[in-house]
Amino acid sequence: SQTIHQWPATLVQPVGSPLSLECTVEGTSNPNLYWYRQAAGRGLQLLFYSVGIGQISSEVPQNLSASRPQDRQFILSSKKLLLSDSGFYLCAWRGQGGKSQHFGDGTRLSIL
Amino acid sequence: AQSVTQLDSHVSVSEGTPVLLRCNYSSSYSPSLFWYVQHPNKGLQLLLKYTSAATLVKGINGFEAEFKKSETSFHLTKPSAHMSDAAEYFCVVSLILTGGGNKLTFGTGTQLKVEL
Repeated sequence: SQTIHQWPATLVQPVGSPLSLECTVEGTSNPNLYWYRQAAGRGLQLLFYSVGIGQISSEVPQNLSASRPQDRQFILSSKKLLLSDSGFYLCAWRGQGGKSQHFGDGTRLSIL
Repeated sequence: AQSVTQLDSHVSVSEGTPVLLRCNYSSSYSPSLFWYVQHPNKGLQLLLKYTSAATLVKGINGFEAEFKKSETSFHLTKPSAHMSDAAEYFCVVSLILTGGGNKLTFGTGTQLKVEL
């Protein structure tokens, strides 16, 4: 069966520090991968999606970037975090031909 | 363009009574629609999905939803609420993106509270 792992579960970082959140998927090949952010009390906003290795599409301009160095690995990064980057970050995958996305447990990011 | 509107930000029911969470959608194409549930500090779990097959969709944990094109609605129901159903619920519409992938547009969520 397919599984998705995100880490860390929680992270507290100072303003201006770098960021690297990692997401990996097991049990499937060539998945579509997604990064979302959920601000407090709001729905989810799609940040990035990837349909293959090295292919990244950005949905909104921001302080973050994404990379896909391997088929089942999706990384969310920043060189310098802003206070507004705080939130709950969720990674998701979708199988080829599938209709629904499946989510990881998320990373709670707090910026001080 | 596509969007979903969840008509209630908070719903409170007593345990054992029916649940109704309302969702209206807007889509230029024949939509795929989903309901996801999120427990505190957790990721989203898929409850059920509509993908142009049967209009009455059954999901996990006794939930079901009915796609009504004439009303552009996809309301989520459950005959009898359980304490463990307390969570946030998201109605979602899907759009296939050029070049592959699909984009999910989320409603703002409905917080379900279940009381004894």
